[in-house]
Amino acid sequence: GENVEQHPSTLSVQEGDSAVIKCTYSDSASNYFPWYKQELGKRPQLIIDIRSNVGEKKDQRIAVTLNKTAKHFSLHITETQPEDSAVYFCAASKASNYQLIWGAGTKLIIKP
Amino acid sequence: NAGVTQTPKFQVLKTGQSMTLQCAQDMNHNSMYWYRQDPGMGLRLIYYSASEGTTDKGEVPNGYNVSRLNKREFSLRLESAAPSQTSVYFCASSAATDNYEQYFGPGTRLTVT
Repeated sequence: GENVEQHPSTLSVQEGDSAVIKCTYSDSASNYFPWYKQELGKRPQLIIDIRSNVGEKKDQRIAVTLNKTAKHFSLHITETQPEDSAVYFCAASKASNYQLIWGAGTKLIIKP
Repeated sequence: NAGVTQTPKFQVLKTGQSMTLQCAQDMNHNSMYWYRQDPGMGLRLIYYSASEGTTDKGEVPNGYNVSRLNKREFSLRLESAAPSQTSVYFCASSAATDNYEQYFGPGTRLTVT
């Protein structure tokens, strides 16, 4: 079955710097890759997603890149702000399967 | 729209007790999911319902049962609670047609003593 690995488990960056979180997946049939943000004590919420027919997608300070050949995708956050502090989860899914397979999460800490 | 709602928000059970966690969505979504999240961990799928009338096991189904009561409601039952089931439980729903985004409820924090 599908397996999603996420690195690093914890990432600490200076406010204003960029942060990059990486995920790899095992099932080449996966074609949908979302990123969720979970603030402390809150529910996970979608921040950006990408489908396999697209290599990169950007939304203001957040971007996701996908390398289908290497089976990895990454989340890029530029000009980090204190409110970016949270746990970020990647996931992968196939159109034929209603499940999301989740990475273990990355705790992002923004240092003032 | 309330989105996805869950009850209760908090629950404490003794080992061996039973309870049902309720989940409802008002977005006319086809698919619904139950996850558990242990401290400092990711999300693990317990059961899901791809559409009304169907349910399937996820990664960690042992000790749980589910019912897709109608398109709106999906309940999770613990028949005989164990301390290992202490966790935060999230319900989620998805249109699962051309939009796979999962919308999560606020969670239920369950402690089994």
